[in-house]
Amino acid sequence: GQNIDQPTEMTATEGAIVQINCTYQTSGFNGLFWYQQHAGEAPTFLSYNVLDGLEEKGRFSSFLSRSKGYSYLLLKELQMKDSASYLCAPDTSGGYNKLIFGAGTRLAVHP
Amino acid sequence: SQTIHQWPATLVQPVGSPLSLECTVEGTSNPNLYWYRQAAGRGLQLLFYSVGIGQISSEVPQNLSASRPQDRQFILSSKKLLLSDSGFYLCAWSVHGGAGVFGTFGSGTRLTVV
Repeated sequence: GQNIDQPTEMTATEGAIVQINCTYQTSGFNGLFWYQQHAGEAPTFLSYNVLDGLEEKGRFSSFLSRSKGYSYLLLKELQMKDSASYLCAPDTSGGYNKLIFGAGTRLAVHP
Repeated sequence: SQTIHQWPATLVQPVGSPLSLECTVEGTSNPNLYWYRQAAGRGLQLLFYSVGIGQISSEVPQNLSASRPQDRQFILSSKKLLLSDSGFYLCAWSVHGGAGVFGTFGSGTRLTVV
């Protein structure tokens, strides 16, 4: 079976740093994606990790530990526009990019 | 560059009516194609995915079906809609055989069954 856990909601202050955790148990694994989704819109790609370690991309970084079934998304210098849902999505296929999404974490950034 | 088109943007349908949602991709060949559904306040649920023409994998038993009549066309259908079919439907594509190279989502169809 597939199980993906993320916190339901988080709040943070503009300019701060926030870490969104994701743990997963899947029948197959070929990397993990993070997506951002604003209310009423389609998700947009943020990052992809296939090897253990940290991938940095501007204000956003993503970490993966395959042995622990754990990933996190780190957002620095938070801006109001970062208020959105963040979706953790392991690729559970052998390269077919069969993404299974968690329920997502709703982040609210306050002034 | 690759683009994905999905229509209509919104749809209100009565219970028991048929459904047809269409998705097309441009600028790539032999993509993997996907249909996801998102219930209000929930995560995305994978409904179907396709790795080629006529090849459809269904992820969950449901009242829906999918077809891929052409390389870059993916259709989601139902013969009789249920109230529980309401939700935000998203089509997506990825590079065939390109692990980690997931493409983009369409803009989505918000379906309300009344």
